Amino acid sequence: KNEVEQSPQNLTAQEGEFITINCSYSVGISALHWLQQHPGGGIVSLFMLSSGKKKHGRLIATINIQEKHSSLHITASHPRDSAVYICAAWSGGATNKLIFGTGTLLAVQP
Amino acid sequence: KAGVTQTPRYLIKTRGQQVTLSCSPISGHRSVSWYQQTPGQGLQFLFEYFSETQRNKGNFPGRFSGRQFSNSRSEMNVSTLELGDSALYLCASSLDGGSTEQFFGPGTRLTVL
Repeated sequence: KNEVEQSPQNLTAQEGEFITINCSYSVGISALHWLQQHPGGGIVSLFMLSSGKKKHGRLIATINIQEKHSSLHITASHPRDSAVYICAAWSGGATNKLIFGTGTLLAVQP
Repeated sequence: KAGVTQTPRYLIKTRGQQVTLSCSPISGHRSVSWYQQTPGQGLQFLFEYFSETQRNKGNFPGRFSGRQFSNSRSEMNVSTLELGDSALYLCASSLDGGSTEQFFGPGTRLTVL
């Protein structure tokens, strides 16, 4: 079992739809990243959060530390949102490192 | 402020050779981390350097090594290349490392033939 799991693995949506990507983790974490990766490889950090909720434009990220669960929401989705979305948890402790989920491939169709 | 840069962007090597990849962090960032991304294993942590010292290391063989210079630029070296080393190698910088926001470079795509 992976320490960081995402669902769904693939997601197809119509333009304008509300999208939710989920991330569950089994490690004790100090913070969690949501990352976006476009074809070609470049990774952009969308959010880093350790509690509560953050919003940036049409993107919202929430985290529930007790339930070890985080969600990324995209409101009014657009084809340019098509990308791989990756959650990554900081493992904490002496060997603090990022542990990555397998990613969610999102395709938004016009 | 310029972002994280990596050179070269693409590299083709043959088995048994060695390779050196370079990463220049955002100005003022003292931590550089390296990651390997493959279709089979996804993204995996290689190591982190902070103030010229390796602070953390992932589960990779000793063929993978790195260093950081006094200007925070970092290099990663892979010796005795294997086919399975073909991957996208990403570096990320942050102000102080640890659980702080990471800023990723564009990556170096290494192909081992």
